[in-house]
Amino acid sequence: NAGVTQTPKFQVLKTGQSMTLQCAQDMNHEYMSWYRQDPGMGLRLIHYSVGAGITDQGEVPNGYNVSRSTTEDFPLRLLSAAPSQTSVYFCASNANSGTNYGYTFGSGTRLTVV
Amino acid sequence: SQKIEQNSEALNIQEGKTATLTCNYTNYSPAYLQWYRQDPGRGPVFLLLIRENEKEKRKERLKVTFDTTLKQSLFHITASQPADSATYLCAPSGAGSYQLTFGKGTKLSVIP
Repeated sequence: NAGVTQTPKFQVLKTGQSMTLQCAQDMNHEYMSWYRQDPGMGLRLIHYSVGAGITDQGEVPNGYNVSRSTTEDFPLRLLSAAPSQTSVYFCASNANSGTNYGYTFGSGTRLTVV
Repeated sequence: SQKIEQNSEALNIQEGKTATLTCNYTNYSPAYLQWYRQDPGRGPVFLLLIRENEKEKRKERLKVTFDTTLKQSLFHITASQPADSATYLCAPSGAGSYQLTFGKGTKLSVIP
């Protein structure tokens, strides 16, 4: 099992550009989520999904879109990148849709918006 | 609003000693509390989950306690080693919640 795979590992964007961060898991997990991690702020939840076709907002959803067409994939879209979105982004999945089970995280995407 | 505090941003201890990290929470009553380890440039790795009806949980050299009266969890690493150096994150959550909220973490350095 590869676990949770995130691509790309690094990305530099210009302000106003769009891009999609990819996340895929091969563990047949129903639950997937996106976090961003900033110095001094810790991990903050952006969006999450409890299954294919179902998504919901987390703590900091503005500026980000998600969709969940398959169990395996949960891409995160930045429609018009802003410098405030410079961060490290982590995708995580969970075998159980509740928080009574440990999460598996990807290795992250480091995004810089200039 | 809900608040999670981890005792200090950094903790230095001597190799072989027991490291104790603290996670305090306010304004909610979690049913579960998770602990993660994060190394620089890597994603968090799940270590342990403890439930509100469990006082203590162990895994090898790790021990977690959960005191719902004090609203606190303690994370212990016994016989610490330099390889235990990392940032440790706690994440309390409520029953039926789909959102896991993390503390800012404590950076542990084990000095040889």
